[in-house]
Amino acid sequence: ETVLTQSPATLSLSPGERATLSCWASQDVSTYLAWYQQRPGQAPRLLIYDASRRATGIPARFSGSGSGTDFTLTISTLEPEDFAVYYCQQRSITFGGGTKVEIK
Amino acid sequence: QVLLQESGPGLVKPSETLSLTCTVSGGSVSSGSYYWSWIRQPPGKGLEWIGNIYYSGGTKYNPSLKSRVTISVDTSRNQFSLRLSSMTAADTAMYYCARLDHDSSAWGQGTQVTVSS
Repeated sequence: ETVLTQSPATLSLSPGERATLSCWASQDVSTYLAWYQQRPGQAPRLLIYDASRRATGIPARFSGSGSGTDFTLTISTLEPEDFAVYYCQQRSITFGGGTKVEIK
Repeated sequence: QVLLQESGPGLVKPSETLSLTCTVSGGSVSSGSYYWSWIRQPPGKGLEWIGNIYYSGGTKYNPSLKSRVTISVDTSRNQFSLRLSSMTAADTAMYYCARLDHDSSAWGQGTQVTVSS
């Protein structure tokens, strides 16, 4: 069973800043990794699939990278609506524990 | 546009079996290469994958829940269902159904399930 570990648990930043979120897999998952955003009171929304491809309608400020066991989600310039919790998921099964991006 | 809607009891007694149904509209549960999934989220905590049923009918479950979980599909009603036995307070959560694909996802709004006597 592959375990996903996300870091940090909480990221405190200001609007306009750059956010870098990490996800590590306990086994090689190739590029079968997705990133989701969850705003309070809402269901998760797919941002990135195949580690680096943006889902339909996702702004270009969101980007993903990595392969194997190390992955990164970058938000280039934080907008007010980007303050939320972010989860990685491998092969449409296991989720990471999440990273909360909060306003500093 | 595919839409998913969870339904089921909001309150379950300890040791009982939870039964939830996800009704799909705007798409068929028997077509396409999709994973029809159940995911839950305890209050204030992260997402926990429960299991998937594939368009082919095969299933895959979270090992930590496997002994208590059954996911099935009813193509005549365009629904898929979750059964989780031996419920305890630790199973209190928001339960989501979702359609997961290689490059897309669609989620229901979620249904809150509380385990209490």
